[in-house]
This record gives sequence, structure tokens and C-alpha cells, in this order.
Amino acid sequence: DQQVKQNSPSLSVQEGRISILNCDYTNSMFDYFLWYKKYPAEGPTFLISISSIKDKNEDGRFTVFLNKSAKHLSLHIVPSQPGDSAVYFCAASAGGETSGSRLTFGEGTQLTVNP
Amino acid sequence: DADVTQTPRNRITKTGKRIMLECSQTKGHDRMYWYRQDPGLGLQLIYYSFDVKDINKGEISDGYSVSRQAQAKFSLSLESAIPNQTALYFCATSEGGVGTDTQYFGPGTRLTVL
Repeated sequence: DQQVKQNSPSLSVQEGRISILNCDYTNSMFDYFLWYKKYPAEGPTFLISISSIKDKNEDGRFTVFLNKSAKHLSLHIVPSQPGDSAVYFCAASAGGETSGSRLTFGEGTQLTVNP
Repeated sequence: DADVTQTPRNRITKTGKRIMLECSQTKGHDRMYWYRQDPGLGLQLIYYSFDVKDINKGEISDGYSVSRQAQAKFSLSLESAIPNQTALYFCATSEGGVGTDTQYFGPGTRLTVL
């Protein structure tokens, strides 16, 4: 039972354009969502997060949008840069005392930004 | 120096062998986690520990055991390795406490069971 799904295994965009990575979830108890980025031969690194009380969170070139009614979140990268090429994981947590402690991950999306 | 280190980085072993993967952290975090990554499946939680005396099973704990030797050390053992345990294994830490709890990952251990 895959509670967090990233339906696109890969995405290719041109440098300078917008990258949009999507994630869907099924568990209505999830209340905290994160995006991690992973380069080859490295562990995932935290990128950006959003609490369910918000519908948007922005950090520089990265913006995460949350649509609770659709159980959908997306990560927008504008403008995309070649260094953004990596695997992006969506993750969710049911929170409780500490949001983010028990994470459920999606399958990942390989983003390739072409110069 | 890396905040979260894992040893070994790569390991090839045979079916039935006992294997231990080690994780150390210098971040001073109370919480530590073990995940495995399989192609197309993302990361799955094996075990987690919220402090030295607290060990909890994750989604896929069967065939694995853990030991939290100290706040900074959390090891994962495969008592009798089998080929479908071939995967990339990640250790992670987090600070805990009230509020958001970002996890920080080690570089991973690639394990192959023949």
C-alpha cells in the first residue's frame, strides 16, 4: 500500500525553465510534508517542507504547494539550473508531537536539467 | 568532517552470513533511523530510536535487528543475509523535541547479498 506516490519516474527540463514535480498521498492523517534531494553516491538532503495549515511555502527558487482536498503537493523550481539535476523524494509525516519524525517516502523522481 | 557517517560504504556478502552496518553521528541528535532504498520504491523505514533506551520497529523490520550503543551510534544487523536484502541502506538522525524534526542522512551503504 503506497501511501505516498510520485507517478513520474523522470522529468527533463531546459535550464532556466520551471520544473514541476508532483506527489500524491492517500493517508488523510499526514499533516507535514517534505521534499528531499538526492545526488548519486550521497544521502538525501532536506530541501523544503510544508505544514498542512499552509498551502504554500517558498524558499528562494523552490516553492512547495499543498492541495489538501486533492491530497496533492508539488515542488516548483524556478529557474531550473543544471545543478538541480538529482532524484527528488516527496515524504510525509502524521506528525503528533514532532512533525517529520516518522516519514513515509514516495518513489522519487529523477530530474534532469539540460544546459 | 561529515556529521553522519556510515561504514562500510560498500559490502558484498553471501547468503546466510551475518552482517553489521554501522552509523555514527556528531550532530548530538537523540533520534536515529535506518532506511533501505530499493529501485522504484523510495526509502522504507526499518527501525528507529528516539533515545538510547528506545528502539522501535519500522515498516520492514523482519530480518533485521538494531543496537543503539550510545547516543551517537546506531548499528543495523542482518543475522542471516538473503539476496532480497540487497539494497542501499541509509542512516539518518534528527534532533527531536516539539516542532518540526528534519532528518539528516548519511551517505549510504550499498549492500549486495549473493
